[in-house]
Amino acid sequence: AQSVSQHNHHVILSEAASLELGCNYSYGGTVNLFWYVQYPGQHLQLLLKYFSGDPLVKGIKGFEAEFIKSKFSFNLRKPSVQWSDTAEYFCAVIHKTRRDDKIIFGKGTRLHILP
Amino acid sequence: EPEVTQTPSHQVTQMGQEVILRCVPISNHLYFYWYRQILGQKVEFLVSFYNNEISEKSEIFDDQFSVERPDGSNFTLKIRSTKLEDSAMYFCASSGNWRDEQFFGPGTRLTVL
Repeated sequence: AQSVSQHNHHVILSEAASLELGCNYSYGGTVNLFWYVQYPGQHLQLLLKYFSGDPLVKGIKGFEAEFIKSKFSFNLRKPSVQWSDTAEYFCAVIHKTRRDDKIIFGKGTRLHILP
Repeated sequence: EPEVTQTPSHQVTQMGQEVILRCVPISNHLYFYWYRQILGQKVEFLVSFYNNEISEKSEIFDDQFSVERPDGSNFTLKIRSTKLEDSAMYFCASSGNWRDEQFFGPGTRLTVL
């Protein structure tokens, strides 16, 4: 079955530290990739997405992610985190080459930034 | 900026009762979805809906569940006879294209006692 794996369930960092959250997916075909963020008490919001083209995509709030097809990975990065980045982050995939529009989510990574 | 809205924000019900969760998708979107998130677990797909019919459903979406688009704006999820394990946050989402970004609502927290 198709799946999305997020390696870190809970990450604690200090402000200004660099962040990398791992994400791997299992589907071998062409996919659209997403990172969603859920701030405390708020709904899921799109952080960034990859459909095609430059594998390094930039999103909102200084986040970026790199699609590495050979590794089935789409890791999220930010060079310097802020306290306001405290949230839960979900990697997600949609199959691009089948009539299959459900998003498959990873289990999420809870990020806690210490002030 | 257009957004998906959901009502109620929190629903408490007794086991065996019927509940209807309501969603208003973004107005020009054509694809609608329900997901759920049990506390501490990942967001799981329930059902997708397009052109007034279900296009895909997960194994979670059994005969107790149904969806409807009763008018041009609302999209509802009905649970016919709730069970304790139905307690979760239910998210509605919509998109303009089946492969594109899905926009999520704030969720309805369902508590079954």
